[in-house]
Amino acid sequence: GESVGLHLPTLSVQEGDNSIINCAYSNSASDYFIWYKQESGKGPQFIIDIRSNMDKRQGQRVTVLLNKTVKHLSLQIAATQPGDSAVYFCAEMEYGNKLVFGAGTILRVKS
Amino acid sequence: KAGVTQTPRYLIKTRGQQVTLSCSPISGHRSVSWYQQTPGQGLQFLFEYFSETQRNKGNFPGRFSGRQFSNSRSEMNVSTLELGDSALYLCASSLLGQGTEAFFGQGTRLTVV
Repeated sequence: GESVGLHLPTLSVQEGDNSIINCAYSNSASDYFIWYKQESGKGPQFIIDIRSNMDKRQGQRVTVLLNKTVKHLSLQIAATQPGDSAVYFCAEMEYGNKLVFGAGTILRVKS
Repeated sequence: KAGVTQTPRYLIKTRGQQVTLSCSPISGHRSVSWYQQTPGQGLQFLFEYFSETQRNKGNFPGRFSGRQFSNSRSEMNVSTLELGDSALYLCASSLLGQGTEAFFGQGTRLTVV
């Protein structure tokens, strides 16, 4: 799970469009996954989680999809708003409540 | 319900000094984890405490230590500070750990000069 020399990918979307942020995780034994949103100067904010016995979970305007076969997570944000602009991280929870984070994706919403 | 509170928000220290950071978890949460966030390495796990016991530890040198009190508040300590310790230190609390939602504080921004 460590990332060296991070260059975060950026997703630019038009306000009102849907956003899809992707994440590959590393440990096939991980059974719990969380998406976080981090705005500048703040700590990560919990968005939505999913357990490995599910492949889809919906929240308010957000949907998380889990594909265990290829170890892939995605976060879908419906009707993206300017306030959604932030860095988004996926995290897998390993034994002992250790969260292993992805590098993150910058979401920019154009008005 | 109050969120996770970290103090102080900002710190400037000199190389060689030590520092103690504090985290008060959400009321009722027994698990507290610490993370270091830097532009180069991203978010990295330091350690987790549950009911005053360290339950898991990341790959950081022994200069990084922590503890948890009976009220679940936690402190982390960094001794003999190095320039590379400059980072945002984040604390996350969860009810039980082990697959339950983890909520983060705003972090402590440590700058070592």
